Amino acid sequence: AQSVAQPEDQVNVAEGNPLTVKCTYSVSGNPYLFWYVQYPNRGLQFLLKYITGDNLVKGSYGFEAEFNKSQTSFHLKKPSALVSDSALYFCAVRDMGSGGGADGLTFGKGTHLIIQP
Amino acid sequence: DAGITQSPRHKVTETGTPVTLRCHQTENHRYMYWYRQDPGHGLRLIHYSYGVKDTDKGEVSDGYSVSRSKTEDFLLTLESATSSQTSVYFCAIRQNSNQPQHFGDGTRLSIL
Repeated sequence: AQSVAQPEDQVNVAEGNPLTVKCTYSVSGNPYLFWYVQYPNRGLQFLLKYITGDNLVKGSYGFEAEFNKSQTSFHLKKPSALVSDSALYFCAVRDMGSGGGADGLTFGKGTHLIIQP
Repeated sequence: DAGITQSPRHKVTETGTPVTLRCHQTENHRYMYWYRQDPGHGLRLIHYSYGVKDTDKGEVSDGYSVSRSKTEDFLLTLESATSSQTSVYFCAIRQNSNQPQHFGDGTRLSIL
């Protein structure tokens, strides 16, 4: 079985400071990893993904994430936070070898990111 | 935004009644998914489809059924709604294995 842990329910950062939202995962095979953002009363918006290749992945809105296989982590980062980055962030995983490619994602419980002016 | 429309966007109904939620896509993607979102649980997979009339169960499928008679439509049915099925339901679509899922804006379902 696969799982995702987001250890922080909430992260508070001052505007202009760097931010990190943590994610660790567990899969039996190799992972597909994703970050999504959710604004109030909206669906999830895709930010970035790791499939294979470079461990540092760049995505939308200046976000990036670093895949660390030994620590089974995929932390989301941004060098300089904006107030508009305040939202709910989800990390998700899928095992590359599972379900013939059709399986859905396993999500973490989400982290509320609050950027203070 | 991906061409995904969920209907209705809000629904209030009573325990024991049948409920059907609809997901319609204009992207011609093969894969479609239904999730529910509950506080403290993130999103959990209910059912998914990998083609017309091809569906399978997810993590929390009990009490739910699905149908996909056309590529563009994926229906989620609660045969006899219970209060524990009060939730926000999201549909997602995906083109192929390496692509991310894209989500609709959700249906807020309240069962009294």
